[in-house]
Amino acid sequence: EAGVAQSPRYKIIEKRQSVAFWCNPISGHATLYWYQQILGQGPKLLIQFQNNGVVDDSQLPKDRFSAERLKGVDSTLKIQPAKLEDSAVYLCASSLGGTGVRETQYFGPGTRLLVL
Amino acid sequence: AQSVTQLDSQVPVFEEAPVELRCNYSSSVSVYLFWYVQYPNQGLQLLLKYLSGSTLVKGINGFEAEFNKSQTSFHLRKPSVHISDTAEYFCAVTQGDSSYKLIFGSGTRLLVRP
Repeated sequence: EAGVAQSPRYKIIEKRQSVAFWCNPISGHATLYWYQQILGQGPKLLIQFQNNGVVDDSQLPKDRFSAERLKGVDSTLKIQPAKLEDSAVYLCASSLGGTGVRETQYFGPGTRLLVL
Repeated sequence: AQSVTQLDSQVPVFEEAPVELRCNYSSSVSVYLFWYVQYPNQGLQLLLKYLSGSTLVKGINGFEAEFNKSQTSFHLRKPSVHISDTAEYFCAVTQGDSSYKLIFGSGTRLLVRP
């Protein structure tokens, strides 16, 4: 079974530019997560989707970050405009069913963003 | 809000030696606890989880962890490590609300030396 796919793997941009990341979850997985992992820290949840609806986006900086999950499958995370502090690895994860604690989250390899 | 503390940022150990990676959490309610491993340039992989029942949880790759409610700890152990165990290890706890959001610690880098 194919895992969670993410692209691009690496991205370098200048501050105030825009950037977008793409995630393709495991086939059939209803729940999709975007995490931000800053160097030296653990991942922090940015947004969680159940199918194409948002379950939790309380830690998403909505003035510059946006995310969508059209048709309940692929998802895109966008940053506009980027700041230096957005430099991080952006991880996408998916789980099979609902948001219950027994649902194992499967992580993609991440997109490493460097903002200069 | 719940939090997770991993006191050791890096743990060096020789191959075939035992290892313990420490994790403490803050919570006054029932919790669910997890350990994830992250190999270089890869995403996180679930090692093991405690949901209920036996306090000793066995996971993949020979790892185990013990839930200690009185000490609010969930330390990860392996009796004999291999070079291939070199990776970043993250402890996580759920926030306990309906979304079961994972709260991660800052990670411990396990460095296994020959």
